[in-house]
Amino acid sequence: GDSVTQMEGPVTLSEEAFLTINCTYTATGYPSLFWYVQYPGEGLQLLLKATKADDKGSNKGFEATYRKETTSFHLEKGSVQVSDSAVYFCALRLTGANNLFFGTGTRLTVIP
Amino acid sequence: DGGITQSPKYLFRKEGQNVTLSCEQNLNHDAMYWYRQDPGQGLRLIYYSQIVNDFQKGDIAEGYSVSREKKESFPLTVTSAQKNPTAFYLCASRKLGGNTEAFFGQGTRLTVV
Repeated sequence: GDSVTQMEGPVTLSEEAFLTINCTYTATGYPSLFWYVQYPGEGLQLLLKATKADDKGSNKGFEATYRKETTSFHLEKGSVQVSDSAVYFCALRLTGANNLFFGTGTRLTVIP
Repeated sequence: DGGITQSPKYLFRKEGQNVTLSCEQNLNHDAMYWYRQDPGQGLRLIYYSQIVNDFQKGDIAEGYSVSREKKESFPLTVTSAQKNPTAFYLCASRKLGGNTEAFFGQGTRLTVV
């Protein structure tokens, strides 16, 4: 079935370090891919998305490239800040479908 | 401002009682969703609705019920049949068609005491 596998956390980084959170997917069709971020005690906010192969989504210094050949959508940021501390969720939705499939989330803590 | 509002933010319930969580959106979105979030398990779909007066079960619908009498509203009732109701509940909505993303509310944390 369709699913998303995320790198297990928690991840702890020092400020200004490079971040990678791995995400791979299994899908029967051609999904759209999303990264959502959840700050403590809050709902999810869309961080970025990509809707077709080789698309790169970017926002707030975060980037992810839709790699069909490796079925991956890894999240990267060149220099993290303390304010980036949150839980990050990778998700997919098949074209024409209504449901989002979420990964289990990766908690990131950035220390000064 | 347009958005999706869940209330209350925190809810306590005694065992054996039903409780209803509110979700309202003014984004004119067709589809609405309820997810349950537990530590280490990501989000799991409870119910979703694409149109007024119609809804479908998600992966973990047992012990829950919903209604969609208005486009703006999609309340979730956690019944006494739900064995482990303590969780964080998230409501979302989405405009159908195209590659649109879902917008989420702030969540309701339900604790059974």
